[in-house]
Amino acid sequence: GAVVSQHPSWVICKSGTSVKIECRSLDFQATTMFWYRQFPKQSLMLMATSNEGSKATYEQGVEKDKFLINHASLTLSTLTVTSAHPEDSSFYICSAKTRWDEQYFGPGTRLTVT
Amino acid sequence: DAKTTQPTSMDCAEGRAANLPCNHSTISGNEYVYWYRQIHSQGPQYIIHGLKNNETNEMASLIITEDRKSSTLILPHATLRDTAVYYCIVRVGDMRFGAGTRLTVKP
Repeated sequence: GAVVSQHPSWVICKSGTSVKIECRSLDFQATTMFWYRQFPKQSLMLMATSNEGSKATYEQGVEKDKFLINHASLTLSTLTVTSAHPEDSSFYICSAKTRWDEQYFGPGTRLTVT
Repeated sequence: DAKTTQPTSMDCAEGRAANLPCNHSTISGNEYVYWYRQIHSQGPQYIIHGLKNNETNEMASLIITEDRKSSTLILPHATLRDTAVYYCIVRVGDMRFGAGTRLTVKP
């Protein structure tokens, strides 16, 4: 199957700082990428859908000014958590969709805000 | 996308078949049934998907009822490494996750 990578795999940052997470499709081009968030013992929640070259579409309740998404190329999408607070601590997972409508997930990034 | 209902948890003995049910009674004609699993602290892993017919791959089999209102994922010989949360998703567009079934494979 296709491979999606995320970087970093874990990050610790101080409250008030910003953190950028990268999502790459390694062996295919992804016109659409997705960002999910998962809190402990909960399921994945879709945050936003990102299409290459256009603005991301955010789910209801997700602040677009806080979670900045950039999908500048067919293999890279980035999620920047701005002015992070402890309640933003979570497991962030991206996925990428192939042109055959298959969706592959990255390994996730664990963010801890202190 | 149609809503799915799965048992919260299931146990299975190592080496036996694990049968994970999923109800999706409001599924529409163009919606596929997807199964993913998530092992602790990892991203979801694709298992199998189908539309109408039963499907089999190297990981599992997917049995979809004739009316498409329910399906069963079968892991033919469960191992301890199959312990995970299994998600049944019915979709046309975005992949949205329900609570899933926590499968525990016991020695």
